[in-house]
Amino acid sequence: QAVVTQEPSLTVSPGGTVTLTCGSSAGPVTSSHYPYWFQQKPGQAPRTLIYDTSNTHSWTPSRFSGSLLGDKAALILSGAQPEDEAEYYCLVFYGGMIFGGGTKLTVL
Amino acid sequence: QVQLVQSGAEVKKPGSSVKVSCKASGGTITNYAISWVRQAPGQGLECLGGIIPMFGTTNYAQQFQGRVTITADESTNTAYLEMTSLRSDDTGVYYCATGVGYGSGAFGMDVWGQGTTVTVSS
Repeated sequence: QAVVTQEPSLTVSPGGTVTLTCGSSAGPVTSSHYPYWFQQKPGQAPRTLIYDTSNTHSWTPSRFSGSLLGDKAALILSGAQPEDEAEYYCLVFYGGMIFGGGTKLTVL
Repeated sequence: QVQLVQSGAEVKKPGSSVKVSCKASGGTITNYAISWVRQAPGQGLECLGGIIPMFGTTNYAQQFQGRVTITADESTNTAYLEMTSLRSDDTGVYYCATGVGYGSGAFGMDVWGQGTTVTVSS
């Protein structure tokens, strides 16, 4: 089974830009792996930010976007806000749905 | 906009079984895929598997095959997760999520239930 990797932790300044990535031990992550991105705050259920690589939901703040960056899927946060401090998970399809280990994002 | 409401917390003995429900409102589960995800205390997310009720097809993560059963009752718009032979390391929060069924066992996860805490302890 593929191992999906994310940065364990990242820090961004308020108003700054940060890129979170999602890679796979099985090879490049492409749109055929249906990358998703989720935000989870302590004690809450995950919330879906991005689906199918780059599509947003009506509740996704406009400062979040998704793309492919080299061999990885990427979540870009432009203009970070204090409320963006959370754990972020990616999800990709490699024969089954596999989550990355999560990135703890600090806004400081 | 579909919403998912899960059943309440469970406390189980090792070796027993648990069945968690996930009821949809504002939409019919027939039109979506339903996935189940768990989160052990302080840990990340792990997909157990999913179902596409329209086709009755299921897909399970390899490590849960034989121990997990996912079903859906279209008459009550409810999906279920049953897990048998519970162990202490099955303790965690179990979430259902709904989204597109892409085929070949790929399930979208767009809307999430609130989670159900399952505690396995002697």
